[in-house]
Amino acid sequence: GAGVSQSPSNKVTEKGKDVELRCDPISGHTALYWYRQSLGQGLEFLIYFQGNSAPDKSGLPSDRFSAERTGGSVSTLTIQRTQQEDSAVYLCASSLGGQGWYQPQHFGDGTRLSIL
Amino acid sequence: DQQVKQNSPSLSVQEGRISILNCDYTNSMFDYFLWYKKYPAEGPTFLISISSIKDKNEDGRFTVFLNKSAKHLSLHIVPSQPGDSAVYFCAAIPGNMLTFGGGTRLMVKP
Repeated sequence: GAGVSQSPSNKVTEKGKDVELRCDPISGHTALYWYRQSLGQGLEFLIYFQGNSAPDKSGLPSDRFSAERTGGSVSTLTIQRTQQEDSAVYLCASSLGGQGWYQPQHFGDGTRLSIL
Repeated sequence: DQQVKQNSPSLSVQEGRISILNCDYTNSMFDYFLWYKKYPAEGPTFLISISSIKDKNEDGRFTVFLNKSAKHLSLHIVPSQPGDSAVYFCAAIPGNMLTFGGGTRLMVKP
């Protein structure tokens, strides 16, 4: 497809389980970003990739969160030992590389994660 | 501490009138600003941006104004249409992240 694709669109899981969220960026976009939006909150930056490298991981809420990107394309965000406060919509975005932050980011529709 | 704030959580406007969405920021190092629109169950969509070297940028019905001395920007939509009803986020850079405001829900009444 032409846009950013995220899967699954919805995920319900029990507290303590691990989850993996996937993001397929727009072809040719070298920069990839993860955000989350908790209920009633704004967008919270988590991590970004330039190619396969993540220059800044400080936005990740805890060490239970990790992300990787391979082949400069698909990225996965993994949450281990999920907690109820992890419930949120997780959004992925991509943009052209270079001055990535100055390029408009194109967002996927998100994964709605619910922790029971 | 929120560096980008949208103090109005919601705004209601009559179709055909002007919508004005406001955004304040605290970091004088921010040099680029963007507005995104978000419909329910969809990701945000880029609308318009402005560099700090400008004070106005216009694209069709959308105009963004930047007042650096007041650390304030606004998005004007003229004329407003029912399809404009959505949540609008302002965002700012630099730094190594895009910092978003909390959003303003715009409702345009027919």
